[in-house]
Amino acid sequence: GENVEQHPSTLSVQEGDSAVIKCTYSDSASNYFPWYKQELGKRPQLIIDIRSNVGEKKDQRIAVTLNKTAKHFSLHITETQPEDSAVYFCAASMGNQGGKLIFGQGTELSVKP
Amino acid sequence: GAVVSQHPSWVICKSGTSVKIECRSLDFQATTMFWYRQFPKQSLMLMATSNEGSKATYEQGVEKDKFLINHASLTLSTLTVTSAHPEDSSFYICSASSFNIALGGGGNKNIQYFGAGTRLSVL
Repeated sequence: GENVEQHPSTLSVQEGDSAVIKCTYSDSASNYFPWYKQELGKRPQLIIDIRSNVGEKKDQRIAVTLNKTAKHFSLHITETQPEDSAVYFCAASMGNQGGKLIFGQGTELSVKP
Repeated sequence: GAVVSQHPSWVICKSGTSVKIECRSLDFQATTMFWYRQFPKQSLMLMATSNEGSKATYEQGVEKDKFLINHASLTLSTLTVTSAHPEDSSFYICSASSFNIALGGGGNKNIQYFGAGTRLSVL
């Protein structure tokens, strides 16, 4: 079955710096890759997603890149702010399984003021 | 739009009792609902996939007689933890998704909207 690996598990950056979180997936049939942000004790919130027919997508300070050949996708956060501190999860989905998501292990991002 | 409500948010129960958790899509009809379990500082582990009117599909290693899922309508799914024991203590989260294009779905992409989670403590 599908497996998603996420790195790093923890990431600490200074406010204003960039943060990059990387994920790899195992099943080449995966075609949808969302990223979720989860604050402590809260629900995961979708922050950006990308489909397999697109290589890059940007939304203000957040961008996601996808390399289908290498089965890698990454989250890029620029000009980080303390409120970006949270746990970030990548996920992969195959459309023929009703949208079932397989999540990465999570990255705890800490942005120091 | 796309609000998912989950209740209760926190429950404490005695060992051996059963606990029911509700997941409702408030402003849309969910094609599918999912149930996850999350341990502290860990990822979301999918327990089962639930479609309205049919039996849930459980992930490998998840006991279907232990974790009963009922999906009676397009807006409500319930998870019952039967004969709960301390090892069942965890954070349980549901999500609901739709292929409705207006909600960002369509073309095999269906966004999952999450409930706020239920923290279960079994004494």
